[in-house]
Amino acid sequence: EIVMTQSPATLSVSPGERATLSCRASQSVSSNLAWYQQKPGQAPRLLIYDASTRATGIPARFSGSGSGTDFTLSISSLQSEDFAVYYCQQYNNWPPAWSFGQGTKLEIK
Amino acid sequence: EVQLVESGGGLVQPGGSLRLSCAASGFTFSDYWMTWVRQAPGRGLEWVANIEQDEREKYYVDSVKGRFTISRDNAKNSLYLEMNSLTVEDTAVYYCATSVDTAMVTYFDYWGQGTLVTVSS
Repeated sequence: EIVMTQSPATLSVSPGERATLSCRASQSVSSNLAWYQQKPGQAPRLLIYDASTRATGIPARFSGSGSGTDFTLSISSLQSEDFAVYYCQQYNNWPPAWSFGQGTKLEIK
Repeated sequence: EVQLVESGGGLVQPGGSLRLSCAASGFTFSDYWMTWVRQAPGRGLEWVANIEQDEREKYYVDSVKGRFTISRDNAKNSLYLEMNSLTVEDTAVYYCATSVDTAMVTYFDYWGQGTLVTVSS
């Protein structure tokens, strides 16, 4: 089982500033990593897949990087609508027992 | 437009059973893997089960193996999750999800709105 660990659990950032969220896998997942945004009462929304590819319609201020075990989601110039919970998810192993990180809550400072 | 609409959630007693459904539209359902993901109240996301296009392959998280069964009806564009021997730990919002970017099971670019399952006496 691949365990995904996100840090920090909560990140307080002011609007207009940059946020950097981390995700670490317990073993290599190559670049098979996705990031999601979830707001209260809503389903998750795909932001990034294959570690660094933005999903359709996702603003350029969202960027992903990393490979192997260490990954980063960066959000430049935070907008009010960006304050939410963010999850990483690996999809590397077979059989497909996918796993999510526990989430990082991005809150307004 | 891709749409996934779950139904079937509700209140059930411990040890009881429930069947969730997910109605899919806007894409060729039979071409894609489908997945159930759940989220306990105030908690994170947990992958539950995957099913391959022709139902030949099905995979489950350990905590539901032997109790849950994922299935699909490609003629009805529908995904199902049969849940038996439910415990309070199964209380969660259950989402169906898929990716129409690829015929493999990977990330999820489409999610339903979720259906709440509450297991309580």
